[in-house]
Amino acid sequence: AQSVAQPEDQVNVAEGNPLTVKCTYSVSGNPYLFWYVQYPNRGLQFLLKYITGDNLVKGSYGFEAEFNKSQTSFHLKKPSALVSDSALYFCAVRASARGGADGLTFGKGTHLIIQP
Amino acid sequence: NAGVMQNPRHLVRRRGQEARLRCSPMKGHSHVYWYRQLPEEGLKFMVYLQKENIIDESGMPKERFSAEFPKEGPSILRIQQVVRGDSAAYFCASSPPGQGAYEQYFGPGTRLTVT
Repeated sequence: AQSVAQPEDQVNVAEGNPLTVKCTYSVSGNPYLFWYVQYPNRGLQFLLKYITGDNLVKGSYGFEAEFNKSQTSFHLKKPSALVSDSALYFCAVRASARGGADGLTFGKGTHLIIQP
Repeated sequence: NAGVMQNPRHLVRRRGQEARLRCSPMKGHSHVYWYRQLPEEGLKFMVYLQKENIIDESGMPKERFSAEFPKEGPSILRIQQVVRGDSAAYFCASSPPGQGAYEQYFGPGTRLTVT
């Protein structure tokens, strides 16, 4: 069975500082990895994904994530945080071996709070 | 291009009633997924459908829950004889046809409250 762990329920960062939201995963074979953001009472918005190739993936709103196969991690990063980045962030995985489309397995989410 | 649409956005049902949640995927998308989000938890996969076919329902409760995606019209998630534990946000997502590693696009969700 596949799983995702987001070890921090909440991350607090001062505006302008770099931010990291951690994610580790467990899956059979090669993973497809995703980050989504959720604002209050809204659906999830896609930020970025890792499928194959370069381990550093760039996404929307200045976010990026680094895939580390040996550590089975896919941490979300941003060089300079904005107050508007405050939201709930979800990491998700699915196994590429299942082919094509498939349901995602999500972590429990990390509340990111950017302090002015 | 309109996004994924869900209705109603909020639904209140008394215990024992039926709840019907509707989802219209993005234009051109033929894969639909339903997820449930309980308070302070992540999203849990429920079911994956293509037109007229249930592909994977491994996350669906065995009783009272059913889903369909007919040839015409929206996908429907149906919950019969609702109980308080069914109170949650239900999200629909869609993705394009084919075997690529596509991201899923999510609707705004339906918040079900069972009284």
